[in-house]
Amino acid sequence: DTGVSQNPRHKITKRGQNVTFRCDPISEHNRLYWYRQTLGQGPEFLTYFQNEAQLEKSRLLSDRFSAERPKGSFSTLEIQRTEQGDSAMYLCASSRKYEQYFGPGTRLTVT
Amino acid sequence: AQKVTQAQTEISVVEKEDVTLDCVYETRDTTYYLFWYKQPPSGELVFLIRRNSFDEQNEISGRYSWNFQKSTSSFNFTITASQVVDSAVYFCALADDTSGANNLFFGTGTRLTVIP
Repeated sequence: DTGVSQNPRHKITKRGQNVTFRCDPISEHNRLYWYRQTLGQGPEFLTYFQNEAQLEKSRLLSDRFSAERPKGSFSTLEIQRTEQGDSAMYLCASSRKYEQYFGPGTRLTVT
Repeated sequence: AQKVTQAQTEISVVEKEDVTLDCVYETRDTTYYLFWYKQPPSGELVFLIRRNSFDEQNEISGRYSWNFQKSTSSFNFTITASQVVDSAVYFCALADDTSGANNLFFGTGTRLTVIP
């Protein structure tokens, strides 16, 4: 059973640049989630997909953030015009129902 | 509003000691789900357990046990005979109907260090 995979694992970018992260969920999982985790904190929910439909978005997800899940398989999270405050670990999780299984995360550093 | 409190920021124990990690939650919903996750130094969150609000039975899995008490809104996690591999940050999380039952609301975590 292949777990959730995320790419890239690390991304360093300059302020103002756009970045895109990819998440490949566990194959039979129809639910996919994005979270953000900053140092010393627990993960914070960003958004949720059921199949290809984005059903929930947190107020944390500003207009600069957009997420997609075309065809209900992999998902991408794009951050436009990055700011230093966007520096964090971006976590993806997938589930069939309630138990969410997390990927290794993408660590974003905005300089 | 939902809230998960893990008052213990850091705990250190000597190997083979028992340790209990506390979790107190707040929700207005009668249906909710509680979780524990482990985040080892590698960074990947590992699912440990889910409990439904209507099932107050305690659970034991090997050296791990969980005590769910609705009367005190607590969902505590005990590791018996701790081992160095248990060193990690442990997160308690809540999902309820208000948050769509899909949005996990995490506490700030407890960092456990097991000293050999």
